[in-house]
Amino acid sequence: EVQLVESGGGLVQPGRSLRLSCAASGFTFDDFAMHWVRQAPGKGLEWVSGISWNGGNIGYSDSVKGRFTISRDNAKNFLYLQMNSLRLEDTALYYCVKGEGTSWYIPWFDLWGQGTLVTASS
Amino acid sequence: QSVLTQPPSVSGAPGQRVTLSCTGNSSNIGTHYDVHWYQHLPGTAPKLLIYGNINRPSGVPDRFSGSKSGASASLAITGLQPEDEADYYCQSYDSSLTGPVFGGGTKLTVL
Repeated sequence: EVQLVESGGGLVQPGRSLRLSCAASGFTFDDFAMHWVRQAPGKGLEWVSGISWNGGNIGYSDSVKGRFTISRDNAKNFLYLQMNSLRLEDTALYYCVKGEGTSWYIPWFDLWGQGTLVTASS
Repeated sequence: QSVLTQPPSVSGAPGQRVTLSCTGNSSNIGTHYDVHWYQHLPGTAPKLLIYGNINRPSGVPDRFSGSKSGASASLAITGLQPEDEADYYCQSYDSSLTGPVFGGGTKLTVL
């Protein structure tokens, strides 16, 4: 079955760190770019970060640049998001998302996970 | 404030046709960047509905169609059904922000 399954979300204090994981299955993982997209409570979708098929090219939104790091392990079919210096406004449902090609640049998103909830609160 | 502008809500009766709009500018839709549409039912994963302005992925009914003109795009849904009630998001790429951007979403209510 073609699917993406996120894990690692939870309640964390502002300023602390959290690492999200995404297990991919049912498709050739290292043929495609991957992304993280988030949705804050009551808000719309926001692209967070994208990584090319081999990890050689990476992009971040301005809101997370310098604090979040995206990475992938093609041998294990996993995507990661290391989130440091978390802020209240990072509270959101984080989706692992498959891009349609090898580059994260100018994508569309053809497969989404169910999401993992991150809550930054003191 | 989202980069792409969508009306917060649209409604229609079963069987009717509705159109959802998405307006951008010269940094995104107004250039050569394509528009893509997603359907999001609460509690589920968003689903790709239209890609490359007009193309439907396999399995998406032909009741859904997309178009693009200038700095705007539209999603049309004909023969409205109760299960179409969902949030709909447009998405493109923005050269100023150097990243993908979404609209704020439109909540479709089937009366």
